[in-house]
Amino acid sequence: QKEVEQNSGPLSVPEGAIASLNCTYSDRGSQSFFWYRQYSGKSPELIMFIYSNGDKEDGRFTAQLNKASQYVSLLIRDSQPSDSATYLCAVLGVFGGYQKVTFGTGTKLQVIP
Amino acid sequence: EPEVTQTPSHQVTQMGQEVILRCVPISNHLYFYWYRQILGQKVEFLVSFYNNEISEKSEIFDDQFSVERPDGSNFTLKIRSTKLEDSAMYFCASSERTPPYNEQFFGPGTRLTVL
Repeated sequence: QKEVEQNSGPLSVPEGAIASLNCTYSDRGSQSFFWYRQYSGKSPELIMFIYSNGDKEDGRFTAQLNKASQYVSLLIRDSQPSDSATYLCAVLGVFGGYQKVTFGTGTKLQVIP
Repeated sequence: EPEVTQTPSHQVTQMGQEVILRCVPISNHLYFYWYRQILGQKVEFLVSFYNNEISEKSEIFDDQFSVERPDGSNFTLKIRSTKLEDSAMYFCASSERTPPYNEQFFGPGTRLTVL
């Protein structure tokens, strides 16, 4: 199993719809989960972080964490064309014998006007 | 809003040359990180640094790499003898809080091209 796994996409949604991005991770002891947005040629921008099971909402974004299933997701409500980017799931856990933040390969989101 | 800064934005070097990439973390942050991203690939952890010493380092961070905090503001990554495969975007990140509850904020990156 890959350390942090995401569907590479592209995920295409119409403007105004809900985009749902998913991520699974291998280290059951992981404690911290982050979603970053990365526009082409730019650096990762932190948009959400979650530490406890359940939902966390911030504006149009909701992060969902299920530690038992080793699953974290990001919902984007009322998607806008400006949300078109690659979304990176990042997990702080013990991977390869040491603690580090491990990134998934990212899901490319396309919001169609 | 405070942000992480990095210089230079683009560095071109010949194979075998030494390069130093510079970062200024957010001023009240105590935890510092370097990551790299090879074109088209995922972001990879290189090293974490706290209290003037390395906390963790990845298998990528071999003897050719070193980090330093030479003063109260700068955080540098040195590659002693660059290889073609070192060509990548290098990102510095910093965090205010203690792991595991430590959101990391990234700088804009330095694009390193090794010829």
